[in-house]
Amino acid sequence: ETGVTQSPTHLIKTRGQQVTLRCSSQSGHNTVSWYQQALGQGPQFIFQYYREEENGRGNFPPRFSGLQFPNYSSELNVNALELDDSALYLCASSWVNTEAFFGQGTRLTVV
Amino acid sequence: AQSVTQLDSQVPVFEEAPVELRCNYSSSVSVYLFWYVQYPNQGLQLLLKYLSGSTLVKSINGFEAEFNKSQTSFHLRKPSVHISDTAEYFCAVSETGNTPLVFGKGTRLSVIA
Repeated sequence: ETGVTQSPTHLIKTRGQQVTLRCSSQSGHNTVSWYQQALGQGPQFIFQYYREEENGRGNFPPRFSGLQFPNYSSELNVNALELDDSALYLCASSWVNTEAFFGQGTRLTVV
Repeated sequence: AQSVTQLDSQVPVFEEAPVELRCNYSSSVSVYLFWYVQYPNQGLQLLLKYLSGSTLVKSINGFEAEFNKSQTSFHLRKPSVHISDTAEYFCAVSETGNTPLVFGKGTRLSVIA
């Protein structure tokens, strides 16, 4: 059984650019969630996908968008990057009514 | 809306001493409660969880937490810490096991030799 894997592990982008982060869910999990963890803070919920449909969203602007694919892998897209978007982005997968398992995260730095 | 308060941002403790990391939550509905641990430059690992049943839950590495509904608390304890326990610990709550987690700001546990 493979765990949750995220790519890339680190990247640097310039303000105004767009970025795509990727996540492969743990085998058998049909729900994926994305979280943003700013330095020194707890993770904050961005959105959640269940069977390829967004079924929950946190307090993030529309320039944060996502996709879930038939194999339950997922992407997080962020447009028009701002300096405050610099953070660790965490992907978590789960089965219905079970706990979430997290990937190692992608560290995004916006300069 | 749910919220989680971790009362201590940093907890230094000597090796082999006991430790308690405090967590209080607020919610208008029944909740599931979790403790996650984050080692430097890594993601979150589930340490233990309370979903239902016994209010005292234990992890395989000696941590335990007790759900106290009247005090809306879920404090994490370990009777004897090791250097390897040095990490950031996050308390989290959700309405069900599959709804978004609401995290506290974290407690940095530093174990001193």
